[in-house]
Amino acid sequence: ETGVTQTPRHLVMGMTNKKSLKCEQHLGHNAMYWYKQSAKKPLELMFVYSLEERVENNSVPSRFSPECPNSSHLFLHLHTLQPEDSALYLCASSQERQLTLGEQFFGPGTRLTVL
Amino acid sequence: AQSVTQPDIHITVSEGASLELRCNYSYGATPYLFWYVQSPGQGLQLLLKYFSGDTLVQGIKGFEAEFKRSQSSFNLRKPSVHWSDAAEYFCAVGGYGAAGNKLTFGGGTRVLVKP
Repeated sequence: ETGVTQTPRHLVMGMTNKKSLKCEQHLGHNAMYWYKQSAKKPLELMFVYSLEERVENNSVPSRFSPECPNSSHLFLHLHTLQPEDSALYLCASSQERQLTLGEQFFGPGTRLTVL
Repeated sequence: AQSVTQPDIHITVSEGASLELRCNYSYGATPYLFWYVQSPGQGLQLLLKYFSGDTLVQGIKGFEAEFKRSQSSFNLRKPSVHWSDAAEYFCAVGGYGAAGNKLTFGGGTRVLVKP
C-alpha cells in the first residue's frame, strides 16, 4: 500500500449504530487530519493530530470521537449519528517541521450515509 | 481569520480551450497557497503550491498558478484543457501557527469539458 488509505470506502449506518472509520498513512508523516466534505459546503477540518497529540478540534459534536494510536493510524469513531452527518469523510497526512507548512496528502475518503 | 473565495461554482470549457479558475484569499501574514483537484469518488490531489519566491508556479498536469499579493489572488490556469481535466478544483490557504498546519479551503469550482 502506498500513500493514504481509508476503509471502508462506503458505509451505511442507522442512527443507533456504532461504527469506526480507519485511515492509514504509509508516508512516514507526523501529522494526520480528518475532514468532512458535504454537498454544497466547503471542506471542513474536524480534527488535527500532530505527533499523536490532538491539537485542533473545530467544535465537532461529541458523537464523533477521534483516536490516533500511533503516527500511522487514525480512527474516527461514530455513534448515534444524524442524517445530516452523511458526507464524504477525508483523511490526510503531512510532515510538519518547525515554522513551516507541510503539504497534505489525502486519502480517497469514506462515503458515509446515515439512515 | 483566514478565508478563501472561489467565485465560480461551475465552469464549462471546450476541449483544447484555455482555462482559468479564480481564487481570492484573506490571510493576515504571508500565505501558503495550494490548488487541489478532486475527481469523482476520489480524494484530493495536489496540483501545485506557493510558499515563497517566484510568483508563477508550475504544477502537475500542465497547470500553473500566479500569486498576486496586491490582489490577494492565486488563479489557476491551463493553456489547453483535456477531457480528463473535468473535475472539481479547490483552492486552499494555510499557515503554521499554534494549532499546527491548518488549511482553509474554498468552496470549489466544478469544471465541465465539452468535446
